[in-house]
Amino acid sequence: DAGVIQSPRHEVTEMGQEVTLRCKPISGHDYLFWYRQTMMRGLELLIYFNNNVPIDDSGMPEDRFSAKMPNASFSTLKIQPSEPRDSAVYFCASSMGGSISGANVLTFGAGSRLTVL
Amino acid sequence: AQSVAQPEDQVNVAEGNPLTVKCTYSVSGNPYLFWYVQYPNRGLQFLLKYITGDNLVKGSYGFEAEFNKSQTSFHLKKPSALVSDSALYFCAVRVRTDKLIFGTGTRLQVFP
Repeated sequence: DAGVIQSPRHEVTEMGQEVTLRCKPISGHDYLFWYRQTMMRGLELLIYFNNNVPIDDSGMPEDRFSAKMPNASFSTLKIQPSEPRDSAVYFCASSMGGSISGANVLTFGAGSRLTVL
Repeated sequence: AQSVAQPEDQVNVAEGNPLTVKCTYSVSGNPYLFWYVQYPNRGLQFLLKYITGDNLVKGSYGFEAEFNKSQTSFHLKKPSALVSDSALYFCAVRVRTDKLIFGTGTRLQVFP
């Protein structure tokens, strides 16, 4: 398996523009997580899905952020409109929640570095 | 409130010396504890976890962690550090069946 695949790796945009980040989880994993990493706030959980259903979106900063998982192999995180304070590295991670050995063992993607000017 | 703390922003150690990266936690019930490592420009990678059993857990790359219930700690250790161990280390605790919270991270710098 190629691991968790995220795109784009880098995105530079201007304030007010829409940003869409994409994630392909590991095949067979039933959990998908979106995290944001900044120097100031560390690693924050934004939202996570189980079997394509959003379970907890309490970490989503505000209504400008939305996430979808239309099928088991694809998820998006959208920011509209974007603001400079959204600049961060966004990570997608997946895990196999149903197994004792796999539960809570997250496999992270390489991240999408977003810069909003 | 359930939480995890890494009291040191950075740990410096000479190559060949033992290293310790500290983590303390606060959870209700029995803790499920984890260590992850992040190399530059990469996502986090799983190192090891404690669920139950032996208090000393062995993980990847020669790392181990010691669970101490009385001190509510889960410190990461390695007997002999390598320059290639230099990275950002995160402790995490499970706060519900499917959710982890991460500490703020500790940067480990191993000097030749």
